Amino acid sequence: QITLKESGPTLVKPTQTLTLTCTFSGFSLTSGAVGVAWIRQPPGKALEWLALIFWGDDKRYSPSLESRVTITKDTSKNQVVLTMTNMDPVDTATYYCAHSTGNPPYGMDVWGQGTTVTVSS
Amino acid sequence: DVVMTQSPHSLAVSLGERATINCKSSQSVLSSSNNKNYLVWYQQKPGQPPKLLIYWASTRESGVPDRFSGSGSGTDFTLTITSLQAEDVAVYYCQQYYTTPFTFGPGTKVDIK
Repeated sequence: QITLKESGPTLVKPTQTLTLTCTFSGFSLTSGAVGVAWIRQPPGKALEWLALIFWGDDKRYSPSLESRVTITKDTSKNQVVLTMTNMDPVDTATYYCAHSTGNPPYGMDVWGQGTTVTVSS
Repeated sequence: DVVMTQSPHSLAVSLGERATINCKSSQSVLSSSNNKNYLVWYQQKPGQPPKLLIYWASTRESGVPDRFSGSGSGTDFTLTITSLQAEDVAVYYCQQYYTTPFTFGPGTKVDIK
């Protein structure tokens, strides 16, 4: 059974760097046809895809955030980390990580419950 | 970026009736290498993460009731819920998985009339 869980601060100040950790089980990021993605959702708004890391360490980013976002993996800990610099109140959102499946990938079949991040001074 | 649009923004359907949601991509999401449309549908209920319903535009995820079906190809897609049930009240999103960034549509809210 695949599970993912997001963790990190619930409140960050403007200009600070956000670090979120996705801890997963039930699969390995050393296996082919697997990836972990980050998606966010501002309150009452639509989903926004942020980044994806594949089993081979290939990384993809949303161009609108690429200068601020970094995705990394620690296969020994079964974790994927998202860092986002220079946080702004518009970055207030629920942040989800999700298991991306397929080679080439065709969707995100298991999601974490999400973690809510508020950006405020 | 591939821009995804959905219509309608919201709809209310009587229990047992059909709900139809449309999704359009700004460019084709049909792969020439395997003839698959990289179009996904998710269901999101309040306070929950999205749930994968359909991938490759028309392949139902395991465990998804067969009243949910997807169709379309290229740039135009449809999610149909035949015989709407109370538990289907949710926001439905399409997403293209053809090229990064894997963009989502704005969502369609489905309610009971």
